[in-house]
Amino acid sequence: QVQLQESGPGLVKPSQTLSLTCTVSGDSITSGGYYWTWIRQQPGKGLEWVGYIYHSGATFYTPSLKSRLTMSIDTSNNQFSLSLNSVTAADTAMYYCARDPHRGYFDLWGQGMLVTVSS
Amino acid sequence: DIQMTQSPSSLSASVGDRVTITCRASQSISTYLHWYQHKPGKVPKLLIFAASSLHSGVPSRFSGSGSGTDFTLTISSLQPEDFATYYCQQSYSDRTFGQGTKVEI
Repeated sequence: QVQLQESGPGLVKPSQTLSLTCTVSGDSITSGGYYWTWIRQQPGKGLEWVGYIYHSGATFYTPSLKSRLTMSIDTSNNQFSLSLNSVTAADTAMYYCARDPHRGYFDLWGQGMLVTVSS
Repeated sequence: DIQMTQSPSSLSASVGDRVTITCRASQSISTYLHWYQHKPGKVPKLLIFAASSLHSGVPSRFSGSGSGTDFTLTISSLQPEDFATYYCQQSYSDRTFGQGTKVEI
């Protein structure tokens, strides 16, 4: 049974970099041709697609975050990561990693990680 | 950017009711439209993909229809466990979610 699990600091200071990792267990991150995805939900708001990375390292980011966002993949450890720099309080959110089976929808989600941006 | 607009933003319903939620895209997206259920403190759950295909394990009281710009999610007989927020999401260009529809008692 494939599972996703987010990890990282739950508190980040303004202007610093938010870094999260998603560990994939139960299958190889290189199998199946999946797009490994990040989605966030700011408090009281709806879901927001952040971007995805393919096992080749190819990435696609949402335009509104593209200038601050970097995603990477570590196939040897079956992990993919998100790095968002110059964060503000507006980046406070529940961050989910998810799997897109190359068909545009998200069929498997991590439990989510709440990240608060505050001094 | 493709904008997704759901209506209503919230609705009140009773167990056994037939519930319909609408999602409209700002441009044609063919059938690149998917629906999710999200309960507080839980992980979003895929219900419908490609506008009308039921995801594995999802009860048959959920159904989806539409193409182009207008789509609907229907719950044929609302059950207690269906009270949640529902989101549509397009994958025609990038990925965008609707703002959500909260189904309340």
